[in-house]
Amino acid sequence: GDSVTQMEGPVTLSEEACLTINCTYTATGYPSLFWYVQYPGEGLQLLLKATKADDKGSNKGFEATYRKETTSFHLEKGSVQVSDSAVYFCALKGSSNTGKLIFGQGTTLQVKP
Amino acid sequence: NAGVTQTPKFQVLKTGQSMTLQCAQDMNHEYMSWYRQDPGMGLRLIHYSVGAGITDQGEVPNGYNVSRSTTEDFPLRLLSAAPSQTSVYFCASSYNAVNYNEQFFGPGTRLTVL
Repeated sequence: GDSVTQMEGPVTLSEEACLTINCTYTATGYPSLFWYVQYPGEGLQLLLKATKADDKGSNKGFEATYRKETTSFHLEKGSVQVSDSAVYFCALKGSSNTGKLIFGQGTTLQVKP
Repeated sequence: NAGVTQTPKFQVLKTGQSMTLQCAQDMNHEYMSWYRQDPGMGLRLIHYSVGAGITDQGEVPNGYNVSRSTTEDFPLRLLSAAPSQTSVYFCASSYNAVNYNEQFFGPGTRLTVL
């Protein structure tokens, strides 16, 4: 079945460092790919998405490119801030009609001043 | 728009008790779903609904019931709570089940079963 694998955390960075969180997926057909962010004590918010191969999603300085050849959707940011500290989830939604989101296990990012 | 709302925010139950987690959305979304979040496991789908009167099981449905009598509401019922149901529960909605549509999440209910 469909699945998502994320790099394990926690990831600890200093402010203004570069961030990459790896995400790879297994899916049949043509899934849509998402990154969600969860700030402490809150629900999940959509950070960015890509719906077809070679699409690049971007938001708030974060980017991710849908790479079908490597089945990857890595999250990147050139300069992180303390306010980026959160848990990041990679997810896919397949081509079935269930609307089901399949999540990776989440990666905790802590940014220190 | 309030978006997706959930009540209560926190709940403590004893083993064997029953309760209903409430979820409502005011965006006229057809699709609604319930997930549970457990450490190191991401979120897992419990039940979902593609429209009023239609529900189906997700990945981990045992011990939970749902109904969808209106477009707005999608309550999750725990019939006889067990410690294994200690988790954070999230309700989500989207315009429909098509794969490129964003799902909007509620703030979550943190449930502890003693």
